[in-house]
Amino acid sequence: AIQMTQSPSSLSASVGDRVTITCRASQGIRNDLDWYQQKPGKAPKLLIYAAANLQSGVPSRFSGSGSGTDFTLTISSLQPEDFATYYCLQDHNYPFTFGPGTKVDIK
Amino acid sequence: QVQLVESGGGVVQPGGSLRLSCTASGFTFSTSAMHWVRQAPGKGLEWVAITSYDGNNEFYADSVKGRFAISRDNSQNTLYLQMNSLRAEDTAVYYCAKEHPGSTGALDYWGQGTLVTVSS
Repeated sequence: AIQMTQSPSSLSASVGDRVTITCRASQGIRNDLDWYQQKPGKAPKLLIYAAANLQSGVPSRFSGSGSGTDFTLTISSLQPEDFATYYCLQDHNYPFTFGPGTKVDIK
Repeated sequence: QVQLVESGGGVVQPGGSLRLSCTASGFTFSTSAMHWVRQAPGKGLEWVAITSYDGNNEFYADSVKGRFAISRDNSQNTLYLQMNSLRAEDTAVYYCAKEHPGSTGALDYWGQGTLVTVSS
C-alpha cells in the first residue's frame, strides 16, 4: 500500500498567518491527492481534490499544489474557523490511504 | 441537498458481527461509487472500503479484508457494511461517503458517523 506522510504533525498559528502543510507519498501518485478538514466531533470536509481543485463552496484562501510524490495545502490567511485537523488522501491506488493528519491550533 | 445517514452501530463482543447501513438522499445514488471510512477514538482517518456504482467492484483495506463486506441496494438508496470477526481494534466511528462525480476517489459528502465499540 502507498504510505502517506504529513508535516508538520501540528502547528500553532495566529489569525491572518499564511499556513503551509505538506503531504508526501511513498511512490508517485500523479495528482491523485485530496485534502480534508476535520473539526472535533464532526465528519471530514473535502477542501481540495485532484491536488489543486477547490471544492465548491470552499473559501479561496485554501489552495493546493503538487504532483508525483510531494503536495502542499496552503491557507493564505488563517481565519478563526480554520483551526482544525487536516488530512491528505491518496486515491491513486487501492487501498486508498490517508496521511496521519496535521492539527492547526491557535498560537 | 445531499444527505447520508449511518445507522447500526453499537457495542459488540470480540468475534461478533454487526451490519452498518447508510441511507442516501439528494443525489443519484445508483450512479455514485460509495465508501466507508473509519476513525478510532482520538486517532486519524482510515479508509475501509469502496463499492462501485453498480456493486460489481469492491476493494478493501488490508486490515479488514476477508472480515468485512461492502454492498449496496440501489433500489433502496442504501449502502451496507457487514462486519464479521470483530476485534477491539475495529472500535471506531464509521463514516459513509459518496465519491465526487468529477474526480474518482475524492469524497465530497460524508455522513455524521456511527460508533462501533468492540468490547467484552
